[in-house]
Amino acid sequence: GAGVSQSPRYKVAKRGQDVALRCDPISGHVSLFWYQQALGQGPEFLTYFQNEAQLDKSGLPSDRFFAERPEGSVSTLKIQRTQQEDSAVYLCASSPLTSGRGTDTQYFGPGTRLTVL
Amino acid sequence: GNSVTQMEGPVTLSEEAFLTINCTYTATGYPSLFWYVQYPGEGLQLLLKATKADDKGSNKGFEATYRKETTSFHLEKGSVQVSDSAVYFCALIGTGGFKTIFGAGTRLFVKA
Repeated sequence: GAGVSQSPRYKVAKRGQDVALRCDPISGHVSLFWYQQALGQGPEFLTYFQNEAQLDKSGLPSDRFFAERPEGSVSTLKIQRTQQEDSAVYLCASSPLTSGRGTDTQYFGPGTRLTVL
Repeated sequence: GNSVTQMEGPVTLSEEAFLTINCTYTATGYPSLFWYVQYPGEGLQLLLKATKADDKGSNKGFEATYRKETTSFHLEKGSVQVSDSAVYFCALIGTGGFKTIFGAGTRLFVKA
């Protein structure tokens, strides 16, 4: 079946522009995660949704970052007034939450590479 | 806070050599531990996991044992193949949580 998809795959923005990154999780998956991966580093947690509820947004680096999942399926990560330090790969992952715990397997999308000039 | 430290790469091995990638963690309670792999041009995928002390996770010839006494979760494989060339990430989720903490990754090159 279809995996997690993300769009666009590549995005170039001028400093100060707003961007929106989309994630389509695997159908029926309850949990959805966003991560930021800088070049040569491991992914860093940004935020977590269970259905439409955003249960943890402790990793969002500033109030310029905003994520939503209004119908419990597709999610959008929005970055306002982009800065050069926002350049990274943004990864989305979904999980079925069958155990009710965080240890269910997460399925990752291919990521969106954001470059801010 | 919780953290993961893994050995720096790159690691370069010849085919059929033994692989160890060290990973240690800092966490309160009983975290769950994971190894993820990212093959060239592909997305991140779960390789194996262990959810309690002394558990051994295994997959595709790789294995790692959750050692609470040494707070470690080292990845091993007895005989690597060229196709194992990838970046490997150690990770944890804290007790009762959903937030995954990743290490910086270790790049493995396997030569024929």
